[in-house]
Amino acid sequence: DVKVTQSSRYLVKRTGEKVFLECVQDMDHENMFWYRQDPGLGLRLIYFSYDVKMKEKGDIPEGYSVSREKKERFSLILESASTNQTSMYLCASIGSGTGRNYGYTFGSGTRLTVV
Amino acid sequence: GESVGLHLPTLSVQEGDNSIINCAYSNSASDYFIWYKQESGKGPQFIIDIRSNMDKRQGQRVTVLLNKTVKHLSLQIAATQPGDSAVYFCAENRIYNQGGKLIFGQGTELSVKP
Repeated sequence: DVKVTQSSRYLVKRTGEKVFLECVQDMDHENMFWYRQDPGLGLRLIYFSYDVKMKEKGDIPEGYSVSREKKERFSLILESASTNQTSMYLCASIGSGTGRNYGYTFGSGTRLTVV
Repeated sequence: GESVGLHLPTLSVQEGDNSIINCAYSNSASDYFIWYKQESGKGPQFIIDIRSNMDKRQGQRVTVLLNKTVKHLSLQIAATQPGDSAVYFCAENRIYNQGGKLIFGQGTELSVKP
């Protein structure tokens, strides 16, 4: 069964800390995405990547950066965590080639609380 | 602007009844639509998809209907069960859109009463 794995389900970090959220997929997908999900705001795209070492800003990149050193791994970095970054973070991936499914596979999410 | 939106933020149904969750989209260039189910504290899970060359597609207890004339998508769940309680999202894509960046609706919370 194909999988997108997020390393942590729950994280509690202090304001000002540097936070790393890791995502690994085993589907050989080229495209990977990081979203945050907040009540009433739905899914908002932070960053995405079309290939190794490539990254593109999404709708809300401020306060975040990403790293894609290997095809299967896409990391989200909070340079200096703030309380307004408390949220559910979702990683997703999708292949670029033609095929049956053109939807994302999501990870199980990381609930981050910044105190 | 282009958007995918849901008509109702919440839906409450009796166990055993059928559920219908609606979604409107504004971009006629979209040619692929997906429904996701998200249970509390979990990531969204793919339920069913449909391409724009189809009007209807059925899965196990779920049916997706696409009305391109009015740009409307619906998800029907037959004999709704307590395990169906979740937030349901619709999403749109363009099959030949590089990177496949989806556009999501806000979600409808389905609550099933025993």
